[in-house]
Amino acid sequence: SQTIHQWPATLVQPVGSPLSLECTVEGTSNPNLYWYRQAAGRGLQLLFYSVGIGQISSEVPQNLSASRPQDRQFILSSKKLLLSDSGFYLCARDRRNYGYTFGSGTRLTVV
Amino acid sequence: GNSVTQMEGPVTLSEEAFLTINCTYTATGYPSLFWYVQYPGEGLQLLLKATKADDKGSNKGFEATYRKETTSFHLEKGSVQVSDSAVYFCALSAGNRDDKIIFGKGTRLHILP
Repeated sequence: SQTIHQWPATLVQPVGSPLSLECTVEGTSNPNLYWYRQAAGRGLQLLFYSVGIGQISSEVPQNLSASRPQDRQFILSSKKLLLSDSGFYLCARDRRNYGYTFGSGTRLTVV
Repeated sequence: GNSVTQMEGPVTLSEEAFLTINCTYTATGYPSLFWYVQYPGEGLQLLLKATKADDKGSNKGFEATYRKETTSFHLEKGSVQVSDSAVYFCALSAGNRDDKIIFGKGTRLHILP
């Protein structure tokens, strides 16, 4: 199984509050993992990717951070949310020649 | 660098119409090509893929052929259904382990009954 678990499915948070979104994956060890954000009506924006425990690469400067404390765990965080952080957040893992497997996503609304 | 360009949406069709969503790419070497589908409120699902020139990927009545001469991977379906309403993403992968998949901006498809 290459299942990806993301939670929560929806989240409403006030501006200035902290954020923690968790993603856990099943399947082969040492996967490449990715966090994407999809703003309303727009395409996918790659936020972070990780090729191993403790290894995080950031694609764009922003108010968010990511961590990978375990091989199959990838966490997206913020210390203080902004309105512009609202969006649909997707976790993904690579499957070599089969592209990516995506989680079901978290809908974040910052109010 | 590598890139994917797909037609702007939204695309609105009547049920049973023929569908084409254009996708062209720029890449060095021999990338793998993908189409993903995103139904409302869900994550992306792999719809079909092709890993070398002239390969045809197919799934659920959708098809796309890897055309190296025109650097294209257009998505087609002969007769669309209301349930095909979704956002469709064209994507490529250069194939190296640490290469990230490059996604197009997505095309929203509306099928009217």
